[in-house]
Amino acid sequence: AQKVTQAQTEISVVEKEDVTLDCVYETRDTTYYLFWYKQPPSGELVFLIRRNSFDEQNEISGRYSWNFQKSTSSFNFTITASQVVDSAVYFCALMPSGTYKYIFGTGTRLKVLA
Amino acid sequence: EAQVTQNPRYLITVTGKKLTVTCSQNMNHEYMSWYRQDPGLGLRQIYYSMNVEVTDKGDVPEGYKVSRKEKRNFPLILESPSPNQTSLYFCASSLRSSPYNEQFFGPGTRLTVL
Repeated sequence: AQKVTQAQTEISVVEKEDVTLDCVYETRDTTYYLFWYKQPPSGELVFLIRRNSFDEQNEISGRYSWNFQKSTSSFNFTITASQVVDSAVYFCALMPSGTYKYIFGTGTRLKVLA
Repeated sequence: EAQVTQNPRYLITVTGKKLTVTCSQNMNHEYMSWYRQDPGLGLRQIYYSMNVEVTDKGDVPEGYKVSRKEKRNFPLILESPSPNQTSLYFCASSLRSSPYNEQFFGPGTRLTVL
């Protein structure tokens, strides 16, 4: 079965705190692709990052970083020094190789309080 | 401006009255897809299309139809809408050259079926 689990339904932090959003995936494919998308309160969906299953390098982009671990089937997202503008729903998604079907998680709502 | 457009943005209708939600992109993307977003369920893929005249089912295709007669357009058709199709719908597109490509999402269509 192909599945993405985002167990954290909602997280609240105070501004400047660090926060990690968890993403655990299931797939039997050895080749697959992982993504994170952001949905701010305005409602649009914005691409953040993609990773393929052969690339386990972690990535950092400004205050954002991603930790991909095949051993635990996880692709976690960390925001350092969170800001109010980071408040959004964040979705993790999986695309197994050989298919163009996307499987999204249920999302994590992040609230950053001033 | 590169974008995905959806119309209408909001629609209230009654059970059984056929409707079409249009989706158009101006980025010459081969891949287009429809999702529905429901509270607690995240995004679920309804149908996708890898090119003109090529469509396939996502995870929740029941009650929906699509067509891809032109590269830029991918309408979603509800032949006989029911209240359980009340949802927020998103259209998305991406280059097909690799499944690794990010998706660009439309602004969403909020549908209410009474």
